Amino acid sequence: DSGVTQTPKHLITATGQRVTLRCSPRSGDLSVYWYQQSLDQGLQFLIQYYNGEERAKGNILERFSAQQFPDLHSELNLSSLELGDSALYFCASSVQVSYNSPLHFGNGTRLTVT
Amino acid sequence: GENVEQHPSTLSVQEGDSAVIKCTYSDSASNYFPWYKQELGKGPQLIIDIRSNVGEKKDQRIAVTLNKTAKHFSLHITETQPEDSAVYFCAASKTNSKLTFGKGITLSVRP
Repeated sequence: DSGVTQTPKHLITATGQRVTLRCSPRSGDLSVYWYQQSLDQGLQFLIQYYNGEERAKGNILERFSAQQFPDLHSELNLSSLELGDSALYFCASSVQVSYNSPLHFGNGTRLTVT
Repeated sequence: GENVEQHPSTLSVQEGDSAVIKCTYSDSASNYFPWYKQELGKGPQLIIDIRSNVGEKKDQRIAVTLNKTAKHFSLHITETQPEDSAVYFCAASKTNSKLTFGKGITLSVRP
């Protein structure tokens, strides 16, 4: 068990809808990362937060947004959903802000857009 | 940006044999190279990592080697067991730059 908790495990929704994915990092970890995993694209970095502040953005669509709250949990909001947004979404956490520290992944949220 | 490639995409070995998974990277400034194992229905789990000031690192049946000149690093698993069957991802990063993952390799260990 990595200590990173993601909810829900599965989410099925329709095109055009909005969903929120939640992540609780490991105790003591200040950095939270969001990744998207699809069959043909592998693990794609979306965004990173450190102690409540956005630190880096990757290939995150404008329809997607995230935030990290004072208790360090994070939420990823996906809106105007399209079929192509169906994927596994992972949250990871680490102690440091640096990318050169080990990432600990949750078990993901599987999003299916119909 | 960094580009990480893994070859082959699938690997099948007999239980008890060794498995070697190779990755290449493009950015010579990369200095951190972790390996992750992902089992079905779970998130990637860090199994070993190496930094550029070290050429090799071992942890029980797992070892990682780094060749900075050739810009490649490899995961070595000895005495493979069925529970080693999973998808393995390599990744690379440099200071203040995000981790870039390879596309993963599916390792199957035949009993």
